[in-house]
Amino acid sequence: GEDVEQSLFLSVREGDSSVINCTYTDSSSTYLYWYKQEPGAGLQLLTYIFSNMDMKQDQRLTVLLNKKDKHLSLRIADTQTGDSAIYFCLPKVPDTGRRALTFGSGTRLQVQP
Amino acid sequence: DAGVTQSPTHLIKTRGQQVTLRCSPKSGHDTVSWYQQALGQGPQFIFQYYEEEERQRGNFPDRFSGHQFPNYSSELNVNALLLGDSALYLCASNLGQGLPEAFFGQGTRLTVV
Repeated sequence: GEDVEQSLFLSVREGDSSVINCTYTDSSSTYLYWYKQEPGAGLQLLTYIFSNMDMKQDQRLTVLLNKKDKHLSLRIADTQTGDSAIYFCLPKVPDTGRRALTFGSGTRLQVQP
Repeated sequence: DAGVTQSPTHLIKTRGQQVTLRCSPKSGHDTVSWYQQALGQGPQFIFQYYEEEERQRGNFPDRFSGHQFPNYSSELNVNALLLGDSALYLCASNLGQGLPEAFFGQGTRLTVV
């Protein structure tokens, strides 16, 4: 809920880049996750970044972290129709392997063919 | 590794009835959490089980109860079903140590009529 803010909706054309933004409140977050939820499905851990990193690249995915502004972004290069899904940003504090995850409403990415 | 498995995948119940949903965690995981996801919303934490005990609970009424078995599998029970209980119920498991990402099942779609 209140721990993260994301825009609710993003529409892009196939082949373009998508950028999904997230701001969070807890500066003690150690890991910052991106989960993906395809229509009617469960959640899939897409990627994550440690808080001591500024950037992480994983194939078409680039995660940028600005700790000062508590801003996280997920860039998807060459967006495909299969990327259409809801994307959730989750900051995670240390020690909390068993702490519940707090989800916001996520960003629904719609990829137009 | 089968990952997190949930059963059944879909269920229709009548208001006032009781329902039991089942979850088998990812191999090696000892912690199971349950989430309720209403249409258009992010998942909301219901409760978490570890060592066969409820360790954390979200803001859900006592109609929602659970159990964890010695093999770490878990059940979610909902009594006196309301129309508003219609949702996707997600089970997540993790090990509680190291990288604390959670692995999610595909969910059980419960419809209360």
